[in-house]
Amino acid sequence: SQQGEEDPQALSIQEGENATMNCSYKTSINNLQWYRQNSGRGLVHLILIRSNEREKHSGRLRVTLDTSKKSSSLLITASRAADTASYFCATDGQGAQKLVFGQGTRLTINP
Amino acid sequence: ETGVTQTPRHLVMGMTNKKSLKCEQHLGHNAMYWYKQSAKKPLELMFVYSLEERVENNSVPSRFSPECPNSSHLFLHLHTLQPEDSALYLCASSPQGAGNSPLHFGNGTRLTVT
Repeated sequence: SQQGEEDPQALSIQEGENATMNCSYKTSINNLQWYRQNSGRGLVHLILIRSNEREKHSGRLRVTLDTSKKSSSLLITASRAADTASYFCATDGQGAQKLVFGQGTRLTINP
Repeated sequence: ETGVTQTPRHLVMGMTNKKSLKCEQHLGHNAMYWYKQSAKKPLELMFVYSLEERVENNSVPSRFSPECPNSSHLFLHLHTLQPEDSALYLCASSPQGAGNSPLHFGNGTRLTVT
């Protein structure tokens, strides 16, 4: 069954603006991960954040985790055309071997 | 290159055909996965192999048959598929359990069942 749900389903912004995507989940987790998928390609891992962490950074990416609200957000700062992709959150709430993905946010960066 | 290679990239097959998808990883990972990605649906976990043993079978129809002959190779054998099986099939690997470490994905096989 679906664990993570991303919001919004689609987001279109101008190059240089910041993009924020949200993820909500239902059960307790140990870790939450974010992935990016370019059209017709496989998913690429971006960040893993553990349940005892509140915030994590990687370059222009910032991920926050609020376990009390069962939610996470991915912020991309100073967006570029190359950031155009689908972004997925994934959680391990249903077992150590199972990583369950949401439906993703389709992000479009307009030049 | 992702370190995980899937072949073929595209496959068109009839409902009575038998074909196989291949996945190969050279990352030294212990776990390998098959996911199905259909339009407007979340990724669906199909099978998980850990150290060449199947540890997860997510209620997948028997027309899909996985095989993991060694820790570097994973196959998905297909027979008598239905049109609704058309999708992008993604293989992934991880050093340990998926919840504790990132997945490394291949670029997938785009399957069309006619």
